[in-house]
Amino acid sequence: KQEVTQIPAALSVPEGENLVLNCSFTDSAIYNLQWFRQDPGKGLTSLLLIQSSQREQTSGRLNASLDKSSGRSTLYIAASQPGDSATYLCAGKAYSSASKIIFGSGTRLSIRP
Amino acid sequence: EAQVTQNPRYLITVTGKKLTVTCSQNMNHEYMSWYRQDPGLGLRQIYYSMNVEVTDKGDVPEGYKVSRKEKRNFPLILESPSPNQTSLYFCASSLIGGLSNQPQHFGDGTRLSIL
Repeated sequence: KQEVTQIPAALSVPEGENLVLNCSFTDSAIYNLQWFRQDPGKGLTSLLLIQSSQREQTSGRLNASLDKSSGRSTLYIAASQPGDSATYLCAGKAYSSASKIIFGSGTRLSIRP
Repeated sequence: EAQVTQNPRYLITVTGKKLTVTCSQNMNHEYMSWYRQDPGLGLRQIYYSMNVEVTDKGDVPEGYKVSRKEKRNFPLILESPSPNQTSLYFCASSLIGGLSNQPQHFGDGTRLSIL
């Protein structure tokens, strides 16, 4: 059964720093992995989706990587800004249960001006 | 604008009073799903639908019902709500489900409080 873990639960860094958010999953037979952003009182916004055949995806200052052998994904945020403050969630879809995506509990990110 | 719309956004009600949370998408998506989000537990899937008239249980379906009579709508029904169903609920949709790389799109959420 796929389990997804995100550590740390919360992170606070000064503006301008590059940072990495971590996501680990137990089922290496992963079909894809998606990173979301959640703002308070809002729904989830899809940031990046990495297919199992891909190693990484990039969008602007965001770069997500996928290493199936180690069961890890990272979200790299370059030159962080206060507007990046939000909760970041990763979610994996496994071949064995493709009808759903399994979410991690998220990392609450705070960027200090 | 492409979106998933949930109503109501907030609801406070009492135990046992039937309620329905509506979800509608305007993207002609086949796949729709309901999640609940609780502190420390993350998002858990309640029910999903691969297409019209096709629904199935997720991980926490107890106490909930759904229907998919039209492609765009996927209402969540609580026949007899109880306090343990107090939560933040999200509806999501994607073009197709199963082994597809279509991203899921989420509504803004419905915060339910059952007293």
